[in-house]
Amino acid sequence: EPEVTQTPSHQVTQMGQEVILRCVPISNHLYFYWYRQILGQKVEFLVSFYNNEISEKSEIFDDQFSVERPDGSNFTLKIRSTKLEDSAMYFCASSTFGGEYGYTFGSGTRLTVV
Amino acid sequence: QKEVEQNSGPLSVPEGAIASLNCTYSDRGSQSFFWYRQYSGKSPELIMSIYSNGDKEDGRFTAQLNKASQYVSLLIRDSQPSDSATYLCAVSPPGSARQLTFGSGTQLTVLP
Repeated sequence: EPEVTQTPSHQVTQMGQEVILRCVPISNHLYFYWYRQILGQKVEFLVSFYNNEISEKSEIFDDQFSVERPDGSNFTLKIRSTKLEDSAMYFCASSTFGGEYGYTFGSGTRLTVV
Repeated sequence: QKEVEQNSGPLSVPEGAIASLNCTYSDRGSQSFFWYRQYSGKSPELIMSIYSNGDKEDGRFTAQLNKASQYVSLLIRDSQPSDSATYLCAVSPPGSARQLTFGSGTQLTVLP
């Protein structure tokens, strides 16, 4: 069964450093997403991406965050200057259509900011 | 503020019983509703989607939607210990299936 692949599975970074989280969506999917889940809390929407541009973003997705599809397979989330409160599990997801039929989530990257 | 509310549990049922999970949502115009299963430390996995009032069955799972009451439920028949997980209700706002609002989840334990 096709998978969404995320790397690394766990990343530890110092406060103020830049991090890039990487995702390889399912190959025939057209819509890509990032969500995060702080430990013990809800899964929260960050951003959706279609046709090489952001289609929607939440209030969490401020100027410290950016997304990019640098080539035909990868989808990345960059956090420019990490804060302690950015520590969370970050999930990439993809879908064929615009999410109407649900997404496939990747296994996640656990980001720890120290 | 769009809200999706679930009883956090934990909900315990014996093996073979029916587990009933409930969810309410605040945005009356919401159009798409999903149930995801999340094992501890893992990513959400889509179980069911439902879009219109009534019941939708898929194997041992039945999703129920009542838009007038702004209520979604998930029934799991013949519960198995492998069903023990947190069940997340997710709702998309009107005109935007690309953005899901998740509930906090109900933790289900199926006792052998």
